[in-house]
Amino acid sequence: EVQLVESGGGLLQPGRSLRLSCAASGFTFSDYAMHWVRQAPGKGLEWVSGISWNSNSVGYADSVKGHFTISRDNAKNSLYLQVNSLRTEDTALYYCTKGTMVRGGDFDHWGQGTLVTVSS
Amino acid sequence: DIQMTQSPSSLSASVGDRVTIPCRASQNISNYLNWYQQKPGKAPKLLIYAASSLQSGVPSRFSGSGSGTDFTLTISSLQPEDFATYYCQQSYNTPRYSFGQGTKLAIK
Repeated sequence: EVQLVESGGGLLQPGRSLRLSCAASGFTFSDYAMHWVRQAPGKGLEWVSGISWNSNSVGYADSVKGHFTISRDNAKNSLYLQVNSLRTEDTALYYCTKGTMVRGGDFDHWGQGTLVTVSS
Repeated sequence: DIQMTQSPSSLSASVGDRVTIPCRASQNISNYLNWYQQKPGKAPKLLIYAASSLQSGVPSRFSGSGSGTDFTLTISSLQPEDFATYYCQQSYNTPRYSFGQGTKLAIK
């Protein structure tokens, strides 16, 4: 069974940094693209960032470019999102998602999310 | 960037109704269109991929159609568990993907 378990969220002040993690199991992690999708309270889904299976290709939404860094460790079956200079608009539930083998941008499994709250 | 538009943002229907939910892309995305269902407090769930392919385990009352810029999710006979928010998403613009704003399906 595919499992994606996010961690690292919390209540932080603007300007601080944090690293979100996603522990993957139940599939061959190194074969698949992975992504972060976030959802602000009461709002819709926003794709944030994605990374190819071998880390050669990464992408970011314009809203987070230069501000977030995605990475992965295939040996540890883990996905990461480094968030620097937190802003209040980064407050959201952050989901880790898995791409499919055929189309890396089709998200067939999701974690339950980790909540990031940015407030002074 | 490709913009995805879902209108209306909400609609109401009754159990047993046939419901269609539209989605429009700002440019041609071929069939690189997915549909997700999200219930309150839960993670989204993939329903339809490649515009019309049913994800494993999803009931056959769900179907998708369209190509290019205009797409539709259809629920043939609404069940009580189908009241949720539905999002379309384009996977054409690798690796910069985008979602529609969502359509909330409520009980009439």
